[in-house]
This record gives sequence, structure tokens and C-alpha cells, in this order.
Amino acid sequence: KAGVTQTPRYLIKTRGQQVTLSCSPISGHRSVSWYQQTPGQGLQFLFEYFSETQRNKGNFPGRFSGRQFSNSRSEMNVSTLELGDSALYLCASSWDRGNLQYFGPGTRLTVT
Amino acid sequence: ILNVEQSPQSLHVQEGDSTNFTCSFPSSNFYALHWYRWETAKSPEALFVMTLNGDEKKKGRISATLNTKEGYSYLYIKGSQPEDSATYLCAFKTSYDKVIFGPGTSLSVIP
Repeated sequence: KAGVTQTPRYLIKTRGQQVTLSCSPISGHRSVSWYQQTPGQGLQFLFEYFSETQRNKGNFPGRFSGRQFSNSRSEMNVSTLELGDSALYLCASSWDRGNLQYFGPGTRLTVT
Repeated sequence: ILNVEQSPQSLHVQEGDSTNFTCSFPSSNFYALHWYRWETAKSPEALFVMTLNGDEKKKGRISATLNTKEGYSYLYIKGSQPEDSATYLCAFKTSYDKVIFGPGTSLSVIP
């Protein structure tokens, strides 16, 4: 079974731009969660999608948004990028809440 | 404010030693406790999902216990090997789907 894939793996953007990251979950998994990892803040929960609905959202500004498609693929969008948005963005998929989560390799975003 | 703590922050052990770490979390609104292993330059790997008070899980030389009433979980590694070197993260999931990660315990196993 193919694992979780994320594209792109690396991205460099400038302040004020927007970015869209993509995550393809393991086949059959309906839940996709997004996380941000920065050296200072550790791993922080962004949001979770299940069957195309956002089930929960972490404490991030409205510039961070996401969606999930009918095939469970998910995208995350960050508008008006700030320097502090530079981070590793990880997505993870699972069959449902309470199940083991499988992480993708991440997208390393650098904002200059 | 929900807070998840892990101790120790880092640990250096000799190959063959057994070790354990602690994850402390709020005892209210508990839904699940996840343990992950995160090796450098790799993605976090899920080890266990624990949902019931008194749960004990085992995967090879690694095992974990859960006490939801007092808000802690222990992760044990028996006979540590160099390949066990990684950061071990716990994540607390609330009944209203908030997920809070602990800061991690960094384990180095010296051959």
C-alpha cells in the first residue's frame, strides 16, 4: 500500500504571497490532519478533515485554510505569507479518529 | 490552557539498557493518547494509540501504559539499541478533537 504523499517537498515563497500544499492519504483513509513544525513551537495541530468536512481546527489565524476532496486528498492554503510561516508542514492520514496516524514526508516551506 | 509535558527532555543510555519516559496530560476531556517516534530526517512514525484507562500496548521491545485518571502515560524500551535513537512524542487528543503534542523526549543510545 502506498504511503502518504505530500507535494511539493520544498518551497520558497516571499512575504505576502500565498501557497497551496497537497496531501494524498493512504488509500481508504478518510481522515487527514495537518501539522506545523517549527523549532520554537514544536509540532502544532492545524486542522483535521474527515469526509470533506473540517472536523476541528487548531489555534491558527484565518490565513490558514484547507479543504478535502471526495477522494480524501487534502490541500492546505496559506495566504499573505509571513516570515514566521516558515516551517515543516506535515500531513497525516488515518482510517478515522482514534486510529493510528500515518505521516507524510512533509513540505518544507521557506518564506523570505 | 491545555498542556502536555514530557520528561525527561533528553536521555542518553548505553546499548542494552532499558529506559522509560513519561507523558503527562490533562485528566479531563480525554479521548486518546498517541505515541510517536520521530527519527531525524524522517516522518513521525505512529507507535501506539491508547484510549482506555489501564491500557497496555506492546510493539517488539517497546511498550506503553496509560492512566487517564491521573493523566500520565509511560513508554518503556527494553534493551535499547542504537536504532532506537529518536525523539519520542506523545499527543493528547481531547473529546472535542483538539490535539496537543508534548515537546518530546530525545533518546540517544550509545553503542
